Amino acid sequence: AQSVTQLDSQVPVFEEAPVELRCNYSSSVSVYLFWYVQYPNQGLQLLLKYLSGSTLVESINGFEAEFNKSQTSFHLRKPSVHISDTAEYFCAVQEWGATNKLIFGTGTLLAVQP
Amino acid sequence: DARVTQTPRHKVTEMGQEVTMRCQPILGHNTVFWYRQTMMQGLELLAYFRNRAPLDDSGMPKDRFSAEMPDATLATLKIQPSEPRDSAVYFCASGLDRDGSYEQYFGPGTRLTVT
Repeated sequence: AQSVTQLDSQVPVFEEAPVELRCNYSSSVSVYLFWYVQYPNQGLQLLLKYLSGSTLVESINGFEAEFNKSQTSFHLRKPSVHISDTAEYFCAVQEWGATNKLIFGTGTLLAVQP
Repeated sequence: DARVTQTPRHKVTEMGQEVTMRCQPILGHNTVFWYRQTMMQGLELLAYFRNRAPLDDSGMPKDRFSAEMPDATLATLKIQPSEPRDSAVYFCASGLDRDGSYEQYFGPGTRLTVT
């Protein structure tokens, strides 16, 4: 069965510092990978996704994630964070040809401090 | 700007009462998901519909929860009777099934408190 592990429940970081949010997955077949962001009192929004092709994917607000098949990882990075990036970030996996279900990790709270 | 809508946004009820949550998926989307989010359990998938047919409700307590799609523009999640442990935020998401993978668009959620 597939699973997603986000080891860090909370990541505090100062504004303009770089950040990495870790995500590892487990699956016996090929997968699609996603990062979703949840701002306070809101629903989840797709941040970026890996379906195929280039293993490095980027979002419009400066985040990027790299699919590493050998390490079964999909870590999220940003070179310089803003206060407005404070939110909960969820990694999710979907197996190819499966029932289109997303399996979510437990989330990482990115807390950006001035 | 197409969005998933959910009503009510907040619901406070007493134990034993029936609760119905509604979701309007984005027009044209053919899949609908119900999730429950709590501090302890995180984000759990409760039920999943494709073309209005239930495909997977294995995450839903069958004795008190039920999910339906009366038509393509409405999905409902019902709890009867409600219990304090049902207190959570319930999210609906919709998507378009295409080539086996697609983005899910989440609604703002219904915050349920059962006293």
